[in-house]
Amino acid sequence: GESVGLHLPTLSVQEGDNSIINCAYSNSASDYFIWYKQESGKGPQFIIDIRSNMDKRQGQRVTVLLNKTVKHLSLQIAATQPGDSAVYFCAEKDGGTYKYIFGTGTRLKVLA
Amino acid sequence: DTAVSQTPKYLVTQMGNDKSIKCEQNLGHDTMYWYKQDSKKFLKIMFSYNNKELIINETVPNRFSPKSPDKAHLNLHINSLELGDSAVYFCASSMGQGAPLYEQYFGPGTRLTVT
Repeated sequence: GESVGLHLPTLSVQEGDNSIINCAYSNSASDYFIWYKQESGKGPQFIIDIRSNMDKRQGQRVTVLLNKTVKHLSLQIAATQPGDSAVYFCAEKDGGTYKYIFGTGTRLKVLA
Repeated sequence: DTAVSQTPKYLVTQMGNDKSIKCEQNLGHDTMYWYKQDSKKFLKIMFSYNNKELIINETVPNRFSPKSPDKAHLNLHINSLELGDSAVYFCASSMGQGAPLYEQYFGPGTRLTVT
Protein backbone atom coordinates (compact mmCIF):
# COMPACT_ATOMS: atom_id res chain seq x y z
CA GLY A 1 0.00 0.00 0.00
CA GLU A 2 0.95 3.63 -0.01
CA SER A 3 3.57 4.50 2.54
CA VAL A 4 6.13 7.10 3.35
CA GLY A 5 8.88 5.98 5.66
CA LEU A 6 12.18 7.02 7.10
CA HIS A 7 15.34 4.93 7.33
CA LEU A 8 16.62 6.37 10.62
CA PRO A 9 14.24 7.03 13.49
CA THR A 10 16.91 8.95 15.45
CA LEU A 11 19.85 10.86 14.08
CA SER A 12 22.56 12.35 16.29
CA VAL A 13 24.79 14.97 14.72
CA GLN A 14 27.61 17.07 16.07
CA GLU A 15 26.93 20.79 16.09
CA GLY A 16 28.35 22.36 12.96
CA ASP A 17 28.20 19.18 10.93
CA ASN A 18 25.80 18.58 8.07
CA SER A 19 22.69 16.45 8.64
CA ILE A 20 20.99 14.22 6.14
CA ILE A 21 17.53 12.89 6.84
CA ASN A 22 16.16 10.32 4.43
CA CYS A 23 12.67 9.34 3.39
CA ALA A 24 11.34 6.58 1.15
CA TYR A 25 7.96 6.73 -0.52
CA SER A 26 6.07 4.19 -2.54
CA ASN A 27 3.38 6.13 -4.41
CA SER A 28 4.68 6.95 -7.87
CA ALA A 29 1.63 9.20 -8.37
CA SER A 30 2.78 11.63 -5.69
CA ASP A 31 3.48 14.99 -7.26
CA TYR A 32 4.53 17.14 -4.34
CA PHE A 33 6.69 16.61 -1.28
CA ILE A 34 7.20 18.63 1.86
CA TRP A 35 9.58 18.50 4.79
CA TYR A 36 8.27 19.59 8.16
CA LYS A 37 10.02 20.27 11.44
CA GLN A 38 8.21 19.63 14.69
CA GLU A 39 9.62 20.94 17.93
CA SER A 40 8.48 19.57 21.24
CA GLY A 41 4.98 20.69 22.13
CA LYS A 42 4.40 22.46 18.84
CA GLY A 43 2.75 21.77 15.53
CA PRO A 44 4.72 20.82 12.42
CA GLN A 45 6.36 23.74 10.67
CA PHE A 46 7.01 23.90 6.95
CA ILE A 47 10.69 23.81 6.00
CA ILE A 48 10.92 23.24 2.29
CA ASP A 49 8.99 21.63 -0.53
CA ILE A 50 9.67 20.18 -3.93
CA ARG A 51 7.52 19.22 -6.87
CA SER A 52 7.90 15.96 -8.71
CA ASN A 53 9.23 17.72 -11.82
CA MET A 54 12.30 18.83 -9.89
CA ASP A 55 15.17 16.88 -8.37
CA LYS A 56 16.70 19.51 -6.11
CA ARG A 57 15.61 22.61 -4.28
CA GLN A 58 17.61 24.79 -1.94
CA GLY A 59 16.57 27.03 0.87
CA GLN A 60 18.43 28.74 3.64
CA ARG A 61 20.78 26.03 5.03
CA VAL A 62 18.45 23.32 3.76
CA THR A 63 18.38 21.35 0.55
CA VAL A 64 15.83 18.79 -0.54
CA LEU A 65 16.74 16.12 -3.06
CA LEU A 66 14.22 14.00 -4.89
CA ASN A 67 15.10 10.80 -6.69
CA LYS A 68 11.97 9.56 -8.40
CA THR A 69 13.74 6.53 -9.86
CA VAL A 70 14.17 4.98 -6.44
CA LYS A 71 11.37 6.96 -4.78
CA HIS A 72 13.67 8.62 -2.29
CA LEU A 73 13.61 12.02 -0.68
CA SER A 74 16.26 13.59 1.51
CA LEU A 75 16.65 16.70 3.59
CA GLN A 76 20.12 18.13 4.04
CA ILE A 77 20.77 20.65 6.78
CA ALA A 78 24.05 22.50 6.56
CA ALA A 79 26.01 23.49 9.66
CA THR A 80 23.51 21.92 12.03
CA GLN A 81 22.68 24.06 15.05
CA PRO A 82 21.16 23.21 18.44
CA GLY A 83 17.95 24.88 17.30
CA ASP A 84 17.63 22.27 14.59
CA SER A 85 16.92 19.61 17.19
CA ALA A 86 13.39 18.40 16.46
CA VAL A 87 11.43 15.65 14.75
CA TYR A 88 11.45 15.92 10.97
CA PHE A 89 8.69 14.58 8.77
CA CYS A 90 8.49 14.10 5.08
CA ALA A 91 5.06 14.23 3.50
CA GLU A 92 3.83 13.42 0.04
CA LYS A 93 0.76 14.55 -1.76
CA ASP A 94 -1.03 12.10 -3.99
CA GLY A 95 -1.26 13.62 -7.45
CA GLY A 96 -4.85 12.56 -7.85
CA THR A 97 -6.13 13.87 -4.54
CA TYR A 98 -5.47 16.56 -1.98
CA LYS A 99 -4.40 14.02 0.62
CA TYR A 100 -1.07 14.31 2.36
CA ILE A 101 0.66 11.21 3.67
CA PHE A 102 3.21 11.77 6.39
CA GLY A 103 6.24 9.65 7.13
CA THR A 104 6.96 8.26 10.57
CA GLY A 105 9.39 11.01 11.53
CA THR A 106 13.09 11.20 12.37
CA ARG A 107 14.32 12.73 15.58
CA LEU A 108 17.38 14.89 15.04
CA LYS A 109 19.59 15.42 18.07
CA VAL A 110 22.32 18.00 17.85
CA LEU A 111 25.27 17.32 20.11
CA ALA A 112 27.24 20.23 21.51
CA ASP B 1 -1.25 37.23 15.84
CA THR B 2 -1.58 33.43 15.89
CA ALA B 3 -2.18 32.13 12.38
CA VAL B 4 -3.88 28.86 13.29
CA SER B 5 -5.24 28.55 16.80
CA GLN B 6 -6.84 25.64 18.60
CA THR B 7 -8.75 25.39 21.84
CA PRO B 8 -8.32 23.83 24.23
CA LYS B 9 -4.62 22.99 24.30
CA TYR B 10 -5.19 20.18 26.77
CA LEU B 11 -8.33 18.11 27.22
CA VAL B 12 -8.70 15.37 29.81
CA THR B 13 -11.98 13.52 29.88
CA GLN B 14 -13.52 10.17 30.70
CA MET B 15 -14.55 7.42 28.36
CA GLY B 16 -18.01 7.83 26.94
CA ASN B 17 -18.03 11.61 27.09
CA ASP B 18 -18.57 13.93 24.11
CA LYS B 19 -16.08 16.71 23.48
CA SER B 20 -15.25 19.34 20.90
CA ILE B 21 -12.02 20.93 19.72
CA LYS B 22 -12.15 24.28 17.98
CA CYS B 23 -9.87 25.60 15.29
CA GLU B 24 -9.63 29.03 13.74
CA GLN B 25 -7.29 30.44 11.13
CA ASN B 26 -6.80 34.12 10.36
CA LEU B 27 -4.76 33.59 7.20
CA GLY B 28 -7.65 33.86 4.78
CA HIS B 29 -7.05 30.28 3.66
CA ASP B 30 -9.68 28.26 1.84
CA THR B 31 -8.67 24.79 3.00
CA MET B 32 -8.51 23.37 6.51
CA TYR B 33 -7.51 19.99 7.89
CA TRP B 34 -7.62 17.83 10.97
CA TYR B 35 -4.76 15.46 11.73
CA LYS B 36 -4.27 12.95 14.52
CA GLN B 37 -0.79 12.33 15.93
CA ASP B 38 -0.38 9.22 18.02
CA SER B 39 2.11 8.48 20.78
CA LYS B 40 4.71 7.41 18.23
CA LYS B 41 4.47 10.79 16.51
CA PHE B 42 2.74 9.36 13.47
CA LEU B 43 0.60 12.01 11.77
CA LYS B 44 -2.48 10.92 9.88
CA ILE B 45 -4.98 13.07 8.10
CA MET B 46 -8.57 12.74 9.21
CA PHE B 47 -10.56 15.38 7.36
CA SER B 48 -10.15 18.27 4.99
CA TYR B 49 -12.55 21.05 4.09
CA ASN B 50 -12.31 23.47 1.20
CA ASN B 51 -14.58 26.50 1.41
CA LYS B 52 -16.75 24.70 3.97
CA GLU B 53 -17.06 21.64 1.75
CA LEU B 54 -15.75 18.27 2.93
CA ILE B 55 -13.16 17.03 0.43
CA ILE B 56 -11.22 14.44 2.40
CA ASN B 57 -12.79 12.00 4.81
CA GLU B 58 -10.39 9.28 5.78
CA THR B 59 -11.35 6.05 7.48
CA VAL B 60 -12.35 7.68 10.72
CA PRO B 61 -15.04 6.35 13.07
CA ASN B 62 -18.29 8.19 12.62
CA ARG B 63 -18.00 9.24 16.26
CA PHE B 64 -15.79 11.99 14.81
CA SER B 65 -17.71 14.75 13.09
CA PRO B 66 -16.07 17.86 11.67
CA LYS B 67 -18.04 21.04 11.29
CA SER B 68 -17.07 24.12 9.31
CA PRO B 69 -19.37 27.07 10.03
CA ASP B 70 -17.27 29.26 7.76
CA LYS B 71 -14.00 28.88 5.94
CA ALA B 72 -12.01 30.33 8.86
CA HIS B 73 -13.23 27.69 11.32
CA LEU B 74 -13.13 23.93 11.42
CA ASN B 75 -14.26 22.27 14.61
CA LEU B 76 -13.99 18.62 15.56
CA HIS B 77 -16.64 16.96 17.66
CA ILE B 78 -16.05 13.53 19.13
CA ASN B 79 -18.84 11.42 20.57
CA SER B 80 -18.52 8.53 23.02
CA LEU B 81 -14.81 8.99 23.57
CA GLU B 82 -12.66 5.87 23.79
CA LEU B 83 -9.23 5.25 25.26
CA GLY B 84 -7.79 4.90 21.76
CA ASP B 85 -8.83 8.45 20.93
CA SER B 86 -6.06 9.73 23.19
CA ALA B 87 -3.66 11.61 20.93
CA VAL B 88 -2.63 15.06 19.86
CA TYR B 89 -4.99 16.56 17.31
CA PHE B 90 -3.67 19.17 14.93
CA CYS B 91 -5.61 21.59 12.84
CA ALA B 92 -3.98 22.99 9.71
CA SER B 93 -4.85 25.29 6.86
CA SER B 94 -3.58 26.00 3.38
CA MET B 95 -4.34 28.68 0.85
CA GLY B 96 -5.94 26.19 -1.46
CA GLN B 97 -5.40 22.91 -3.17
CA GLY B 98 -3.93 23.86 -6.49
CA ALA B 99 -0.24 24.51 -7.00
CA PRO B 100 1.57 26.42 -5.57
CA LEU B 101 -0.85 26.66 -2.72
CA TYR B 102 -0.16 23.41 -0.90
CA GLU B 103 1.84 24.65 2.08
CA GLN B 104 0.00 23.83 5.26
CA TYR B 105 0.18 25.87 8.43
CA PHE B 106 -0.37 23.89 11.58
CA GLY B 107 -1.91 24.91 14.86
CA PRO B 108 -0.24 24.18 18.21
CA GLY B 109 -2.22 20.99 18.76
CA THR B 110 -4.74 19.75 21.32
CA ARG B 111 -3.59 16.95 23.57
CA LEU B 112 -6.60 14.76 24.29
CA THR B 113 -6.35 12.26 27.13
CA VAL B 114 -9.19 9.84 27.66
CA THR B 115 -9.24 8.06 31.01
